[in-house]
Amino acid sequence: NAGVTQTPKFQVLKTGQSMTLQCAQDMNHEYMSWYRQDPGMGLRLIHYSVGAGITDQGEVPNGYNVSRSTTEDFPLRLLSAAPSQTSVYFCASSINGLAGSYEQYFGPGTRLTVT
Amino acid sequence: GENVEQHPSTLSVQEGDSAVIKCTYSDSASNYFPWYKQELGKGPQLIIDIRSNVGEKKDQRIAVTLNKTAKHFSLHITETQPEDSAVYFCAASKGNNSPAFGKGNQVVVIP
Repeated sequence: NAGVTQTPKFQVLKTGQSMTLQCAQDMNHEYMSWYRQDPGMGLRLIHYSVGAGITDQGEVPNGYNVSRSTTEDFPLRLLSAAPSQTSVYFCASSINGLAGSYEQYFGPGTRLTVT
Repeated sequence: GENVEQHPSTLSVQEGDSAVIKCTYSDSASNYFPWYKQELGKGPQLIIDIRSNVGEKKDQRIAVTLNKTAKHFSLHITETQPEDSAVYFCAASKGNNSPAFGKGNQVVVIP
């Protein structure tokens, strides 16, 4: 198993541009989530999904959209990039919807810079 | 919602000594407490977890203790080695709630 994969590893955007961060897992996990990691702020939840077709907002959802059309994929869309979205983004998955009871598997991260 | 705090933010230890990181949580209903290790340039990885029906769990050089009354849990690393240098995150959660993470501790093991 490849686990959780993320592409790209690095990305530079100009303010106002849009892009999609890709996340895929091959473990048949129901729960998937996106976090952003900023210095001194820890991991903050952006959006999550408890299964295909179901998504919900986390702690910091503004400026981001998600969809979950398949169990494997959970892309994160930046609609109009802003410098405040400069961060490292992690995708994670967990075995089922009881995300509060099981291990999270994290991807390697995408480092995004918005100029 | 759940609020998790970690102390200290940075911890330096001599190789071979022990390191202890403490986390406090706010929701007494939380029942799952994992610890993640993040090495430079990588995603966090689970190293140990504990559930509320257990007071202590050990795995080789690492252990976690849980005090439900005081609402805190701690990570203990014994005989520290240079490869233990990393950022450590604690989290607290329950049921189908997404876990709440602490802000992380930078552990530096000095050879």
